[in-house]
Amino acid sequence: GEDVEQSLFLSVREGDSSVINCTYTDSSSTYLYWYKQEPGAGLQLLTYIFSNMDMKQDQRLTVLLNKKDKHLSLRIADTQTGDSAIYFCAENYGGATNKLIFGTGTLLAVQP
Amino acid sequence: GAGVSQSPSNKVTEKGKDVELRCDPISGHTALYWYRQSLGQGLEFLIYFQGNSAPDKSGLPSDRFSAERTGGSVSTLTIQRTQQEDSAVYLCASSAIGGGLNEQFFGPGTRLTVL
Repeated sequence: GEDVEQSLFLSVREGDSSVINCTYTDSSSTYLYWYKQEPGAGLQLLTYIFSNMDMKQDQRLTVLLNKKDKHLSLRIADTQTGDSAIYFCAENYGGATNKLIFGTGTLLAVQP
Repeated sequence: GAGVSQSPSNKVTEKGKDVELRCDPISGHTALYWYRQSLGQGLEFLIYFQGNSAPDKSGLPSDRFSAERTGGSVSTLTIQRTQQEDSAVYLCASSAIGGGLNEQFFGPGTRLTVL
C-alpha cells in the first residue's frame, strides 16, 4: 500500500532534542521529504534527503534514512518553542507523476 | 504572485450543494497538485496536472470530484452533491517541474464545511 506512518504527537522541553520518526512504503522513492505546517500557515518544505544518502545535516536538523527498514527520522537539536508545529514526512511515489505520499503528521509541542 | 493563492479561504455549504474551489499557482510553475487534509488523516493526494499531459486523477475519492486547469495556470476543484465527509481543508500546491526534487509550494488552503 501507500501508507506512510508517523506517530501523532511528541512533547519535548525547550532545549532538548526532538526525534520524529516515519516509516514509508515505496523503496523506489528517489527523495524523502520533511514538511512543516505551522498554525494558520501552509506547508513548507523543511528539508529533504536523496535516497542514496544515509544522513543529511542542516544546521539544527539531522535527517537519517534507513532504506533497508524504510525508516526516516528528523532530529531537531536544541528545540525551540518556535519549532512547535506539525511535521509531515513524504515520499515521492514512483513513476512520472511524482505525486507525494504524505504521512499523517506529527504534532510537536515544545514546552518552555 | 509571490506564492500559491487559494479562494475562498473558508466555505460553508449545505449537504447536496456543489462547490468550486480555486487555486492560482506560482507563475511559471507547470505542475499543480490538489490534496485534502482531514483531521487525523494527513494529506491525501487528489489530482496532479503537469503541463499539457493528461492529469493523474488516481486520488479522486469519487466521481463527484473533478478538477480542471485552464490555460495551464488556474485550477478549479469541483465537488458535486457535497457530503459531510467531504469536510476538510483542500490544499493546492505547485512546482516548477514534474520531476527531480519537486519542491512543492503550498497555498493556505480552503476549509470546506458541509453541514
